[in-house]
Amino acid sequence: GDSVTQMEGPVTLSEEAFLTINCTYTATGYPSLFWYVQYPGEGLQLLLKATKADDKGSNKGFEATYRKETTSFHLEKGSVQVSDSAVYFCALSSSGSARQLTFGSGTQLTVLP
Amino acid sequence: EPEVTQTPSHQVTQMGQEVILRCVPISNHLYFYWYRQILGQKVEFLVSFYNNEISEKSEIFDDQFSVERPDGSNFTLKIRSTKLEDSAMYFCASSPRGDARGYGYTFGSGTRLTVV
Repeated sequence: GDSVTQMEGPVTLSEEAFLTINCTYTATGYPSLFWYVQYPGEGLQLLLKATKADDKGSNKGFEATYRKETTSFHLEKGSVQVSDSAVYFCALSSSGSARQLTFGSGTQLTVLP
Repeated sequence: EPEVTQTPSHQVTQMGQEVILRCVPISNHLYFYWYRQILGQKVEFLVSFYNNEISEKSEIFDDQFSVERPDGSNFTLKIRSTKLEDSAMYFCASSPRGDARGYGYTFGSGTRLTVV
């Protein structure tokens, strides 16, 4: 079945550091890939998405590129801020079940001033 | 920006009791979902709902669970006889269409259910 594997956290960085959160997936067909973010006390928010190979999703300075050859969708940001502290979830929706999202376990990011 | 609203934010219940978790999806959305996250584990799909019936459900969604859209705005998840292992954060979501490939969902902020 479908699965998503994220790097385990927690991740602690200083402000303005470079961020990478690794995400790899296993899926049937050609899935769409997503990154969701959960700020403290809030719901899951869509951060960015990519629907086909080589697409790059971007939002709020975050980027992720859909790499079919390595089945990866790593999240990157060049310079993190304290306000980026949150839990980040990688997710996919496969062609086998377009109405479900399969999530990774989430990565807690803490950015220190 | 339109929101999905969930109530209550936190509910504590005795084992064996029935609970109803409530959600108000975005008004022009047609597909509704429940997901849950047991502490420290992955967010898991429970059920999707469209046109007043379940369209998909996971193996977690057994006979103890049911969903309902009792009126034009609410979408509820009922657990008939709660168990300790039902303790989790429950997320409601809605989408304008059922294909998550192009359209991500809008999630609510969750209800934390604690079964004691």
